[in-house]
Amino acid sequence: GENVEQHPSTLSVQEGDSAVIKCTYSDSASNYFPWYKQELGKRPQLIIDIRSNVGEKKDQRIAVTLNKTAKHFSLHITETQPEDSAVYFCAAVNQFYFGTGTSLTVIP
Amino acid sequence: EPEVTQTPSHQVTQMGQEVILRCVPISNHLYFYWYRQILGQKVEFLVSFYNNEISEKSEIFDDQFSVERPDGSNFTLKIRSTKLEDSAMYFCAIQNRASYNEQFFGPGTRLTVL
Repeated sequence: GENVEQHPSTLSVQEGDSAVIKCTYSDSASNYFPWYKQELGKRPQLIIDIRSNVGEKKDQRIAVTLNKTAKHFSLHITETQPEDSAVYFCAAVNQFYFGTGTSLTVIP
Repeated sequence: EPEVTQTPSHQVTQMGQEVILRCVPISNHLYFYWYRQILGQKVEFLVSFYNNEISEKSEIFDDQFSVERPDGSNFTLKIRSTKLEDSAMYFCAIQNRASYNEQFFGPGTRLTVL
């Protein structure tokens, strides 16, 4: 099956700085790569996704890049705010295999 | 964003008892999924359900687990004889017909096995 690795497991940044979270996957058949944000005690919420025929996608302060050859994709958050503090999960689809999660803390 | 609710929000049960967790999508959806998240760990895929039958299941989804859609609306996850290690958040997810691949999660059911 698919193996999704996510780094780092924890990340602390100063408010206003950028945060980058990286994931690698093993199954070359995966063709859809969503990112979920999970606030404490709440459900995972889809924040951005990218499909296999796209290299980069942006939505305001968040962006995702995909390198299918190297089998890695990254989440970029610019101008971080305290409300960005959460656990972020990547996933690689065919079937949904989640990364291990990154706990992001934005320090005001 | 498609809506989905789950009941109950919190279930406490004794080891060995059966539990049924329910997922209620608000509108018509194509695929249904169950995931498990043990406290502090990642979300783990359990099973996907399409056209009233299981399409994929993980190694976690053993004979103690079953899913069904008894009335064409509710989507249920049954654990026949709960174990302590079944304690987790259980999330239902739905895939909208019009949203290829995008899955939307329900609020989850916290299962505590004593």
